[in-house]
Amino acid sequence: DAKTTQPNSMESNEEEPVHLPCNHSTISGTDYIHWYRQLPSQGPEYVIHGLTSNVNNRMASLAIAEDRKSSTLILHRATLRDAAVYYCIPRISNFGNEKLTFGTGTRLTIIP
Amino acid sequence: NAGVTQTPKFQVLKTGQSMTLQCAQDMNHEYMSWYRQDPGMGLRLIHYSVGAGITDQGEVPNGYNVSRSTTEDFPLRLLSAAPSQTSVYFCASSYSGPAKLFFGSGTQLSVL
Repeated sequence: DAKTTQPNSMESNEEEPVHLPCNHSTISGTDYIHWYRQLPSQGPEYVIHGLTSNVNNRMASLAIAEDRKSSTLILHRATLRDAAVYYCIPRISNFGNEKLTFGTGTRLTIIP
Repeated sequence: NAGVTQTPKFQVLKTGQSMTLQCAQDMNHEYMSWYRQDPGMGLRLIHYSVGAGITDQGEVPNGYNVSRSTTEDFPLRLLSAAPSQTSVYFCASSYSGPAKLFFGSGTQLSVL
């Protein structure tokens, strides 16, 4: 299984961009990189995923390093509602082994 | 759409009791899974299913049984509850494989 390393916690000011890093140096060539977030007292919610190139959606952007050993989730303009635990997860995609393993993630605090 | 519905939201059991946590989705998703989340930890995969009639074990399957007789439902059974099973349980589903998972709101289980 690919291992990930994320900061335990980060802080950011409201209305400023946030860059959440993730190292996944053992990722295989076919593993997608998924990001989920978990707001307090809620189940996780999908944010974004990608394979090799940068990805954008209405929630965030995902920048993937050229060597795929790291990625960065970018929240362009943080709001108080973005305070959550953010999980970076390589997807193990072998047939018959469809698992998504969550680590402990990064707890993001937004300062008003 | 209701999405992923988990019942009950809260449950207290005595050691040795049995119970079933219910999970239903109305999105016609083939993939369903159960996770548990202990305080201060990430989510750990218990069991998953890639379609009706097919189930497989995750990281922490001991003490839990599952079945998938319909596409919509994926119940999790605790045959003989133990204090170590005190946790928050999340059910999740997706159209195909563990990508873009939709999570339920969770069941908080306490075993005394």
